[in-house]
Amino acid sequence: GQSLEQPSEVTAVEGAIVQINCTYQTSGFYGLSWYQQHDGGAPTFLSYNALDGLEETGRFSSFLSRSDSYGYLLLQELQMKDSASYFCAVRPSADNYGQNFVFGPGTRLSVLP
Amino acid sequence: DTEVTQTPKHLVMGMTNKKSLKCEQHMGHRAMYWYKQKAKKPPELMFVYSYEKLSINESVPSRFSPECPNSSLLNLHLHALQPEDSALYLCASSHDRGRFYEQYFGPGTRLTVT
Repeated sequence: GQSLEQPSEVTAVEGAIVQINCTYQTSGFYGLSWYQQHDGGAPTFLSYNALDGLEETGRFSSFLSRSDSYGYLLLQELQMKDSASYFCAVRPSADNYGQNFVFGPGTRLSVLP
Repeated sequence: DTEVTQTPKHLVMGMTNKKSLKCEQHMGHRAMYWYKQKAKKPPELMFVYSYEKLSINESVPSRFSPECPNSSLLNLHLHALQPEDSALYLCASSHDRGRFYEQYFGPGTRLTVT
């Protein structure tokens, strides 16, 4: 089976830096993605890590350690509009070209003024 | 065009009704997905179509029947649903096998089964 863990809630102030962690236990592993979802909105893709290390995209960065089955999303220079739910998602295997896709439980980020 | 559209936005149906959800994308993506999302929960994968062929069915009850008429369209036919099937149904698409990790989601259809 597949198991992903994330903190349920994180709170931070505008301008701060916040890190959202994700640990996974899966039958296989083919990469870790991050998605953002605002209340009432659709999930939007943020980043993807297939290999160990840090990927940077503007104010957002994502990190992966395959040996630790662990990744995180780092949000810098927080803005009010970053208040949303953040999901990590795993491709457990390359079967069917990795089309199976499992989302973590999500972390609710609240940014305070 | 980086948009995935879904119709209807809202749907209320009785347990004996038959209805369909529609999804469309014009990004040239060759993989399309249906997800179910309950309030305050993550999306759960239901079906995957790759090159218009059903490649994954995540043990979804037969009262949900997907269809992919062409590479731009995806339907989900609903019949004899239960109240617990009430949820947000999300459609997504992605490039082919190389980029399944980057999915573009539609706004969803909020379904209520009475």
